[in-house]
Amino acid sequence: DAKTTQPTSMDCAEGRAANLPCNHSTISGNEYVYWYRQIHSQGPQYIIHGLKNNETNEMASLIITEDRKSSTLILPHATLRDTAVYYCIGSGANNLFFGTGTRLTVIP
Amino acid sequence: SQTIHQWPATLVQPVGSPLSLECTVEGTSNPNLYWYRQAAGRGLQLLFYSVGIGQISSEVPQNLSASRPQDRQFILSSKKLLLSDSGFYLCAWRWGANYGYTFGSGTRLTVV
Repeated sequence: DAKTTQPTSMDCAEGRAANLPCNHSTISGNEYVYWYRQIHSQGPQYIIHGLKNNETNEMASLIITEDRKSSTLILPHATLRDTAVYYCIGSGANNLFFGTGTRLTVIP
Repeated sequence: SQTIHQWPATLVQPVGSPLSLECTVEGTSNPNLYWYRQAAGRGLQLLFYSVGIGQISSEVPQNLSASRPQDRQFILSSKKLLLSDSGFYLCAWRWGANYGYTFGSGTRLTVV
């Protein structure tokens, strides 16, 4: 079960790219990195996941370093609705604790 | 497609009363099922998980219990609630290790 560390909070101007970092130095070789976000009083929502290669979908891009010890979630054009808590986790074993994630605030 | 249902959405219970939260998954078989709790302003903490009918693993000692009477049904219970049981309870499923989680909409429990 990879331990992840993320900054507690970040601000981003509306329309700008939001770059959210995550360190996962203990991730195992076959363990995926998953990103979720949680809007207040809702269940976490899947955003994107990756193993080694960078990934992109309609919501975000995921950049994983070559050594897989860290990754960055990129929201290319942040909107006010992207204000949420963002979690990154390793997918291997059952995740005992998601951590407090990064609280992203998009500022008008 | 797979869907997960969790109810009720909100619940206010007095201290010492029993609890039963139910979660069901549709559109898949033999899912791994999870109960997480989130205290106010905190991260998600795993309470129980199940890899099959009747198989329950507990991660945190507490006065809660879980059961899986059917393949796609996961129930969180308590015989006597404590004030500290207040929180946001989330059910989730996934196919197994290395797969992502799909979460229910959560139950906000307030013990008074």
